[in-house]
Amino acid sequence: SQKIEQNSEALNIQEGKTATLTCNYTNYSPAYLQWYRQDPGRGPVFLLLIRENEKEKRKERLKVTFDTTLKQSLFHITASQPADSATYLCALGTGGFKTIFGAGTRLFVKA
Amino acid sequence: EAGVAQSPRYKIIEKRQSVAFWCNPISGHATLYWYQQILGQGPKLLIQFQNNGVVDDSQLPKDRFSAERLKGVDSTLKIQPAKLEDSAVYLCASSVRDRGRTDTQYFGPGTRLTVL
Repeated sequence: SQKIEQNSEALNIQEGKTATLTCNYTNYSPAYLQWYRQDPGRGPVFLLLIRENEKEKRKERLKVTFDTTLKQSLFHITASQPADSATYLCALGTGGFKTIFGAGTRLFVKA
Repeated sequence: EAGVAQSPRYKIIEKRQSVAFWCNPISGHATLYWYQQILGQGPKLLIQFQNNGVVDDSQLPKDRFSAERLKGVDSTLKIQPAKLEDSAVYLCASSVRDRGRTDTQYFGPGTRLTVL
C-alpha cells in the first residue's frame, strides 16, 4: 500500500544546531516533493519544492535533498532558532496534480 | 495580495446537526481544495475543484458531505448530519499551476469543528 512516513516523535534540538527531518515514502513515484511548515492554529505554509530530477535545493537556512532510489527526502534547518519550532509536513506531488501529505514532524528548538 | 479566507474559524455543534464552511481563494487561483486535518495527522484531501468543476472527490464521504464552488471562485463545504468523528480542522487551499507542472498550495487558517 502507499505510505508516507515522517518521524512520528517530536524532534528536540538546541538553538544553533542543525535540525534534520526525514520523509520516507513507498509505492509512490512523485514528480516532485514539497515541504510545508504548520504552526498551531494555522494552515500549512509552503517552504520548498524539489523535483524528481533534482538532488538538492537550498533557500536561506533551509536545505532539501531528494533521493528517488531510497524514496527519501531530508529537510535540514541550519543554525536553528526557537522561531523555527513548528510542525513540518512533507507532501508528494504525484501525476495528475494530486498532492499527498505526510503526518508531519514536530520540531522544538530550545534557547 | 490577500490570502485564502475561511469562515467561521471555530464551530461547535451537536451530532446530527448540519454545518457549512466558506472559503474565498486567492484571486486568480483556478484550483481549490478542501482538506480535513485530524489532530496529529496530515491534511487529507476531501475534494479538489478546477474552476467550478470537480477534479477529485474520491475521499469525500458523499452520504454526508457536499461541496460546491460558485462561479469558479468561492466555495462552501457542508456536513449533514455531522458525526463525532467529523471533529477536525477543515482547511481550504488554492493554487495556480505553473509551467513546470507543479502545484504549490496556499492555505487558509482553517475552521476548527467540534462535534459533541
